[in-house]
This record gives sequence, C-alpha cells and structure tokens, in this order.
Amino acid sequence: KAGVTQTPRYLIKTRGQQVTLSCSPISGHRSVSWYQQTPGQGLQFLFEYFSETQRNKGNFPGRFSGRQFSNSRSEMNVSTLELGDSALYLCASSLGGELITDTQYFGPGTRLTVL
Amino acid sequence: AQRVTQPEKLLSVFKGAPVELKCNYSYSGSPELFWYVQYSRQRLQLLLRHISRESIKGFTADLNKGETSFHLKKPFAQEEDSAMYYCALNSGGYQKVTFGTGTKLQVIP
Repeated sequence: KAGVTQTPRYLIKTRGQQVTLSCSPISGHRSVSWYQQTPGQGLQFLFEYFSETQRNKGNFPGRFSGRQFSNSRSEMNVSTLELGDSALYLCASSLGGELITDTQYFGPGTRLTVL
Repeated sequence: AQRVTQPEKLLSVFKGAPVELKCNYSYSGSPELFWYVQYSRQRLQLLLRHISRESIKGFTADLNKGETSFHLKKPFAQEEDSAMYYCALNSGGYQKVTFGTGTKLQVIP
C-alpha cells in the first residue's frame, strides 16, 4: 500500500500571502488529521476530517482552514501568512471508524517557510 | 484541557543500559495514550499504545492512572533505538491527539 503523500514538500511564501497544502491518505482511510510542528511548540493538532466533515478542531485562528474531498484527499489553507506560520505541516490518515485508538499513519510533511 | 509533558528534551544512555522515557499527562477523562517514534529521516510512526499492552522492539509502557504517567521503558538500549520519541494522548473522541514536546534518545555505543 502506498503511504500518505503530501505535496508540495517545500514552500516559500511571503507574509500576507496564502498557501494551500495537499494530503493524499492511504487508500481506504477516511480520516485525515493535520498537525503543525515547530521547534518551540512541538506537534500541535490543527483539525481532523472524516467523510468530508470536520470532526475535531484544535486551537488555531480562523486563518487556518481545511477541507476534504469525496476521495478522502484533504487540503489545508492558511491565509494572510505570518512569520510564525513557518513550520512543518504533517498530515496523518487513519481508517477513521469509531475506535479512538485507530492507528494514524503520517506523511513526510510540507516544510513552509514564510519570509 | 489535556496536556502531555515530557520533561526531558534529551536522554543519553549507553548501549545495554536501561532506558526510561518519562511522560505525564493531565486529562479529566479516560485517556488513550500512545508512544510515537521518529527515526532519522523517517516519518513519525506509532510505536505502541497502552490499550494493546504490547511490547514493540523491546519497549513497554504502563499506564499509571494514579500518577497520571505513561513512561516508556526498555531494559537494554540498542544503538538503533536512537530517535525522537513522542508521547501522545487521544481525547475528545476520534482523532484529537495531543502530543508531548518529545524526547531525543541518544544511545552511545
């Protein structure tokens, strides 16, 4: 089975711009979660989508949004970029059933640099 | 609000020595706890989860609700254990995971 893929792998943007990141889950997985990883804050949960619906949301401003398509692929969007948004953005997919111990499989991440 | 604390940023041990990576959590409900590992240039991956009560690569972790801890242990460290280890807690249903800040384990040959 192919693993979780994320595109692009690297991005450089300037303050005020917006960016869209993409995540393709493992085939058959219906849940996609997004995380922001920074040296100072570590891994922080952004949101989780299941069957095109946002099921959970972390404590991030409204500039961070996401969506999921019918094929379970997910995108996250960050508008009005700030320097502090520079981070590694990870997505993880899982089967997404009722079991909260469902194993998450992580992608390689997208490294976003905001100048 | 839930929180996961890993007090050590770096833990250095000699090969063959015991390893204990500490993890404490705060959560008012019934937690689901995990250990994730990230080897150099590899993706973050699940190492083990408390509900399975399993041993993976010689590692075990016991949930102690009284001490709100979920420490990761291995009796004899190996060089290939060198990696970044993250403790995580799943709360709020489904996949709402809170991660600790991670501990880098360095096994000295």
